Amino acid sequence: GAGVSQSPRYKVAKRGQDVALRCDPISGHVSLFWYQQALGQGPEFLTYFQNEAQLDKSGLPSDRFFAERPEGSVSTLKIQRTQQEDSAVYLCASSFGLTGEQYFGPGTRLTVT
Amino acid sequence: QKEVEQNSGPLSVPEGAIASLNCTYSDRGSQSFFWYRQYSGKSPELIMFIYSNGDKEDGRFTAQLNKASQYVSLLIRDSQPSDSATYLCAVNTLKDTGRRALTFGSGTRLQVQP
Repeated sequence: GAGVSQSPRYKVAKRGQDVALRCDPISGHVSLFWYQQALGQGPEFLTYFQNEAQLDKSGLPSDRFFAERPEGSVSTLKIQRTQQEDSAVYLCASSFGLTGEQYFGPGTRLTVT
Repeated sequence: QKEVEQNSGPLSVPEGAIASLNCTYSDRGSQSFFWYRQYSGKSPELIMFIYSNGDKEDGRFTAQLNKASQYVSLLIRDSQPSDSATYLCAVNTLKDTGRRALTFGSGTRLQVQP
């Protein structure tokens, strides 16, 4: 596609619910990254994939967070048993390589009530 | 010490002036440096990247990198009100995992006054 797409754009979840956020990267980009952005802060790294391999998940804040990219294209970030502190914008980015320019999708704004 | 530091601003400049945005980083091994622009409620948009010491110009934007001083800057010439946004500096830094990942500063808010 022309750019990175994410869905849903907005998600409201009750505390304790599970959510799944989807990212469709730019066609041909082998690297895919997930970030969390709190209000007034820069994006914080969560995890990244090269093709289907998850090379680093050190930024995931707890074991409630899980990401996958089974076919090396679309990725899903899943948050189990959501908590209020999970409320943030979740950004996905893709790039040709691990250290090159990253292009962001529009983000998913998650609000946990 | 934060890995990537920026002055939060706001930096206020008159229309037509040069806006100078600065960023320092702590990882001496970093090789890739990026500037993103983020409008309120939108996602970051890549505007410049630089990999070598010196200046890199693209239209009204110039990125400057000084690895010895661990300093990267962004100059915006002929600033326009539409340039008003938060500018994020991002550096490819070495994590505890031994892998590199993009680390962002908190951003500098730029206001261009008409």
